[in-house]
Amino acid sequence: GAVVSQHPSWVICKSGTSVKIECRSLDFQATTMFWYRQFPKQSLMLMATSNEGSKATYEQGVEKDKFLINHASLTLSTLTVTSAHPEDSSFYICSATGQQDTGELFFGEGSRLTVL
Amino acid sequence: AQSVAQPEDQVNVAEGNPLTVKCTYSVSGNPYLFWYVQYPNRGLQFLLKYITGDNLVKGSYGFEAEFNKSQTSFHLKKPSALVSDSALYFCAVRGAGSARQLTFGSGTQLTVLP
Repeated sequence: GAVVSQHPSWVICKSGTSVKIECRSLDFQATTMFWYRQFPKQSLMLMATSNEGSKATYEQGVEKDKFLINHASLTLSTLTVTSAHPEDSSFYICSATGQQDTGELFFGEGSRLTVL
Repeated sequence: AQSVAQPEDQVNVAEGNPLTVKCTYSVSGNPYLFWYVQYPNRGLQFLLKYITGDNLVKGSYGFEAEFNKSQTSFHLKKPSALVSDSALYFCAVRGAGSARQLTFGSGTQLTVLP
């Protein structure tokens, strides 16, 4: 299957700082990327959908100014957690799909954010 | 709206015994159904999918799932469980032709006892 790389895998930051997480599609062009958030032992909650070259569509209750998503190219989307606070600590997972709708999403390995 | 139910938070099974992880769904139109597995602090690994065709779908690591339209179910099965199968399993759904994001179930923690 297609490969999606996420970086960093782990990040620890101080409260008030901003953190950027990258999601790259390594062997296909990702026209659409999705960002999920997962709390311990819970399911994945969709945060936003980003299409290359356009603004992200955020799910209800997700602060767009808090979680900045950029999808500037067909192989890279970034999630920036701005002015992070301890309650933003979570596991963030990206997924991607190509232009052709095969029905399948390809997931990154996830990024564990801990805000002190 | 689409939804997925995984009624069991936890499933325990002895090594060598068959395992079943249950999933039911609700979606408009024809469903695309998926099973993913997650190990601690890792992303999701794809196991199998049903898009169309045979109701019995075979996937990775000896897993299979049966699509049952009348019962709106897509239970995950394996004839003989391994200790290494212990992980968190997610069922997911989307409607054919709908937006591509998946809706996930709440997850089922599978523990295979040696």
